[in-house]
Parts: sequence; C-alpha cells; structure tokens
Amino acid sequence: KAGVTQTPRYLIKTRGQQVTLSCSPISGHRSVSWYQQTPGQGLQFLFEYFSETQRNKGNFPGRFSGRQFSNSRSEMNVSTLELGDSALYLCASSLRQGGDTEAFFGQGTRLTVV
Amino acid sequence: AQSVTQPDIHITVSEGASLELRCNYSYGATPYLFWYVQSPGQGLQLLLKYFSGDTLVQGIKGFEAEFKRSQSSFNLRKPSVHWSDAAEYFCAVGAGDYKLSFGAGTTVTVRA
Repeated sequence: KAGVTQTPRYLIKTRGQQVTLSCSPISGHRSVSWYQQTPGQGLQFLFEYFSETQRNKGNFPGRFSGRQFSNSRSEMNVSTLELGDSALYLCASSLRQGGDTEAFFGQGTRLTVV
Repeated sequence: AQSVTQPDIHITVSEGASLELRCNYSYGATPYLFWYVQSPGQGLQLLLKYFSGDTLVQGIKGFEAEFKRSQSSFNLRKPSVHWSDAAEYFCAVGAGDYKLSFGAGTTVTVRA
C-alpha cells in the first residue's frame, strides 16, 4: 500500500511569488491535513480537508489556502511568499472513520523563499 | 485548546541503555495521544498511539508508552537503544477533530 506522497520534495521561490504544493493521501483515506514545520515555531496545523471541504483551520493568514479534489488529493497554495514561509510543509492523511484519528505523514516539501 | 509540553530538548544516551522521553499534555477530556519520530529531512513516522483502554501501549521499533491521567503524561520508553534510534521525537495530542497539537520535540543522540 503506497504511503502519502508529496510533490515536489524541494522548492526554491522568490519573495512575492506564489507556490502550490501537492499531496496524494493513502488510498481510501479521505482526510488530508497540512502542517508547517519551522525551527522556531515547530509543527503547526494549517488546515484539514475532508470530502472536498475545509473542516478545520489553524491560525495562519489568508495567504495560505488549500483545496481537495474528488479523488482526495489535496493542494496547498501560498500566495505572496515571505521569507518566513520557508519551512517543511507536511501533509497527513487519515481514514476519518469511526473516531480513528491516526494520521500518516508524507515526506514533506521543503520550501525555501529567497 | 489542547497543548503538549516536552520538557527535554535534547537527550544523549549510550547504545544499549534505556531511554525515556517525557510528554505532558493539557486537555479537558480524554485525549488522543501519539508519539512520532522524525529523521533529518524526513516526514513523521507514527511510533504508537493511545485512544482508550490499556494505559500501557506498545509500538513499533520496541517502543512503549504509558498514559497516566493523574499526571497528564504520556512518556515514551525503550529498554535498549540502538544507534538507529537517533532522531527527533514528537509527542502529539488530538481532540478527535483531526487537528494535532505537537510538542517542541526531543532530539535523541545515541553515543557508541
């Protein structure tokens, strides 16, 4: 069974640009969550999507957005990039069934903003 | 809102020695508790989880953790550490809403 796949693995962008990250969950998993990991702030929850709807959102500015497609794949978009957006972005998928909240993480996308 | 504290930023342990990583959580109800491990530049791998039932849970790679409600703790243990256990370990708490709150992490160094 394939795990959570995130693409690309590495990205370098310039301040002011926008970026789109992709996440393919484990087959059968319908919930996708996104996290930002930085040395200073640690792991922070961005948002969760289930059945193409955002179900939960963390404390991030509106420049951070996401969506989920009918096949459960999810994309995360960051507009008007700032230097502080440099981070490892992790995607997690969950079955979201019967109260099972176990999350399986992908390898992450390392975003560097210069 | 839930929160997690991992008091130890860095722990150094000799290969073959035992390891215990501390985790304290704050949450009003019975939490969902997890331990994850992360190797440099990699994602998070789930070691074990606690939802309910037996308070001593077994995980992968020989790890176990004990949930103590009275102490709001979920400490991770391993009887004998291997060099490959060197990594960063994260404790996380969930409230059933698929939003995990993570601790700051504990970096484990294993010396020969």
